[in-house]
This record gives sequence, C-alpha cells and structure tokens, in this order.
Amino acid sequence: EAQVTQNPRYLITVTGKKLTVTCSQNMNHEYMSWYRQDPGLGLRQIYYSMNVEVTDKGDVPEGYKVSRKEKRNFPLILESPSPNQTSLYFCASSLFNSGGHLDTQYFGPGTRLTVL
Amino acid sequence: GENVEQHPSTLSVQEGDSAVIKCTYSDSASNYFPWYKQELGKGPQLIIDIRSNVGEKKDQRIAVTLNKTAKHFSLHITETQPEDSAVYFCAASSARYSSASKIIFGSGTRLSIRP
Repeated sequence: EAQVTQNPRYLITVTGKKLTVTCSQNMNHEYMSWYRQDPGLGLRQIYYSMNVEVTDKGDVPEGYKVSRKEKRNFPLILESPSPNQTSLYFCASSLFNSGGHLDTQYFGPGTRLTVL
Repeated sequence: GENVEQHPSTLSVQEGDSAVIKCTYSDSASNYFPWYKQELGKGPQLIIDIRSNVGEKKDQRIAVTLNKTAKHFSLHITETQPEDSAVYFCAASSARYSSASKIIFGSGTRLSIRP
C-alpha cells in the first residue's frame, strides 16, 4: 500500500532534549516536506527536499533540522526543543509530473508533539 | 514574503446547499493550486487541484476556479452532504523540478453541514 509513515505518532518531551521524528514513503517520490499545524495558522512548511541531498528552508525553519540521505526517508530533528515547538507535525511527499511540475502531495498521519 | 489568504475561516451550510471557499495568493509565479480536506485526527488529503494553464476544473460535486489576473481561486462544493464536514485548506506553489519552491497554505476553513 502506497503511504507516508511517521513515527512516533505522539511524543511528550522536555525542553532541551533532542528528538527525531521519522518520515518514510514507499512511492519513490522526489519531493518531501515537513509542516507544522497550529490552530488558526493552517499548515506552515518547515523544510522541504527536492531530492536526495537537496533540502531547503520553508517558512518556519528555525529550531529544526532535516536530512535526506535516502530518497524514502526525511527525518525531522529538533536539537533543543522548546515549548513553542509544541504542535502537530505532518510529513508529505509527492512526485514531479512529466512536465516537471509538482503533483499530488500525500500526507502522513501526523505526529503530535508536546514540549514541556 | 509569499502568502495565501483563505476565507471564510468557518462556514455552515444546510445539507444540499452549495459551499464556496475563496483564496487569494501573492506570488505571481505560482502555478499549482491544490485543495485539501482534513478530517478529524487525519492528515490532509487532496480533493482537487488546478494548474495555471486552466481556468476551471470539475470533479463530480467539487469544482475549482482560477483567476490568474486577480490572483484568486475558489473551491465550490455543490449538493453538500454530511460527510463534507471537515477542514479545507487551499495552497499555492511555483515548484518545478528545475527550481525549488515552497508550498504556501491558507489558514483553513472549517465547513459544517447542517442536517
């Protein structure tokens, strides 16, 4: 089954304790992205990756890191989490179509992170 | 920076009536405009999208219109049903394989269908 998986689904942690949220897709998609969702603010893009070893900042990259060593995986790293990073996080992936344009994004189920 | 404004933030319509959600975008290079539906506890799911070379697209009860001159696009749902109740997001992107680009989302519309 074609899907985007994220782990963990729920995480409660404390300020300053490094954490990683994993994201994996089995559709051979080039484009992968991380978003955070906060009430009234919609989805805001944190980082995205056009392909292996190619990553770039989205709208809200501060306090986050990513890596894209393999096509299927795109982990989100919080080196020193703070309470303002408490949020619902989504990973997504998509192909570029034959015309080189971005195609349908497939979202993971979400990771609810609480930083105390 | 680029932004996408979405209105209204909440919308309640009688079952069977139509619902319209509107978005405006600022980046004139945007060429891809998807709409997502998010049900409670789930990730967003694409319901329809439109590209800049098309003015309108329809899929059964759902249609999207795009006005590139005015930089706005709209989602139209006809004959609404209870299962249409969800949060809807619009987005805009200029991403191409040859050039990296962000995807900007609107702030969402909570649609409620009254029985």
